[in-house]
Amino acid sequence: EAGVAQSPRYKIIEKRQSVAFWCNPISGHATLYWYQQILGQGPKLLIQFQNNGVVDDSQLPKDRFSAERLKGVDSTLKIQPAKLEDSAVYLCASSLDRASEQYFGPGTRLTVT
Amino acid sequence: GIQVEQSPPDLILQEGANSTLRCNFSDSVNNLQWFHQNPWGQLINLFYIPSGTKQNGRLSATTVATERYSLLYISSSQTTDSGVYFCAVGGLDSNYQLIWGAGTKLIIKP
Repeated sequence: EAGVAQSPRYKIIEKRQSVAFWCNPISGHATLYWYQQILGQGPKLLIQFQNNGVVDDSQLPKDRFSAERLKGVDSTLKIQPAKLEDSAVYLCASSLDRASEQYFGPGTRLTVT
Repeated sequence: GIQVEQSPPDLILQEGANSTLRCNFSDSVNNLQWFHQNPWGQLINLFYIPSGTKQNGRLSATTVATERYSLLYISSSQTTDSGVYFCAVGGLDSNYQLIWGAGTKLIIKP
């Protein structure tokens, strides 16, 4: 069974530029999550989808971050414009449903200069 | 909300040693996961263990839900076991979101 796929793996951009990350969850998983992980800390949930609907986006900085999961499968997370403090690893995870085990992708390491 | 505490925060061991990592949580949960984050940042699922005991090779875990703690045992440590071990829990009180501990940083010396 294929795991959670993410791309790109690494991205370096200048502040005020925009960037997009892509995630393909495990087949059949209805719930998809985007996390932000700052070095030395645990992951912080940004947004959670159930199929193509948003369940929780309370910690998503909506003035600059957006995410979508149009067909209930793949998802994209966008940052526009990026700030220096957005430098982090962005992790995508999926699970069968909201209460089930979460599986994580390899992450995208973003550096904003 | 649910609080999660992991101990110890740091652990340095020689290769071949055994270790026990602890995770305490403040409320009833229906999801508890142990992860290993390797030095390259990959989060690897170790155990999904809201209750009971599981074993996978040199690793095993036990969750005593009634006493609100979980233990991760690593036997015969190898240098590849180095990294950060996270405990994350979720339940009705967290709207099923995972609440993460601060992690235990494990360094295995050759």
